[in-house]
Amino acid sequence: EVQLVESGGGLVQPGASLKLSCVASGFTFSDYWMSWVRQTPGKTMEWIGDIKYDGSYTNYAPSLKNRFTISRDNAKSTLYLQMSNVRSEDTATYYCTRGDWFAYWGQGTLVTVSS
Amino acid sequence: DIQMTQSPASLSASLEEIVTITCQASQDIGNWLAWYQQKPGKSPQLLIYGATSLADGVPSRFSGSRSGTQYSLKISRLQVEDPGIYYCLQGYSAPYTFGAGTKLELK
Repeated sequence: EVQLVESGGGLVQPGASLKLSCVASGFTFSDYWMSWVRQTPGKTMEWIGDIKYDGSYTNYAPSLKNRFTISRDNAKSTLYLQMSNVRSEDTATYYCTRGDWFAYWGQGTLVTVSS
Repeated sequence: DIQMTQSPASLSASLEEIVTITCQASQDIGNWLAWYQQKPGKSPQLLIYGATSLADGVPSRFSGSRSGTQYSLKISRLQVEDPGIYYCLQGYSAPYTFGAGTKLELK
């Protein structure tokens, strides 16, 4: 069974950094592109970016590429999202998804940016 | 960026009714379109990919179609488990973009 389990969310202050993780199981992690998607409290969905199966290439939403970095460790079947200089508008539930039409999603991890 | 204009924003329908949700792409995206259903407190679930292909395990009352740059999701006979928020997604070119969502409720 394919499983994606995110962690690392919580309450953070504006300007801080945060690193989210997503542990994958039930499939060969190194065979798939992976993405991060976020959903705001108002239910707007936003694609953050993705990473090639071997970690050699990344794509980002233009509005986020200067602050967010996606990486992966295939030996640990783990996807990461490094967030820096967070803002109140980054408050959202963050999901990792598998690259084949986003057929699989994690349960999400909530990030709240507030002082 | 490719814009996806989804309508309606909300919809109330009766059991067994036919429901149609549409997404208009701002440019040609071919068949690079997917539909997702999200129930309260849950993650999105893939319903349709490639504009018309049914994802594994999805009931056959769900179907997708395309006419030019307009895409539709049809629920042929609304069931009690179908309310939720429905989203379209264009996977043609990055940044991949979602529609704003359609909140479907039972009347």
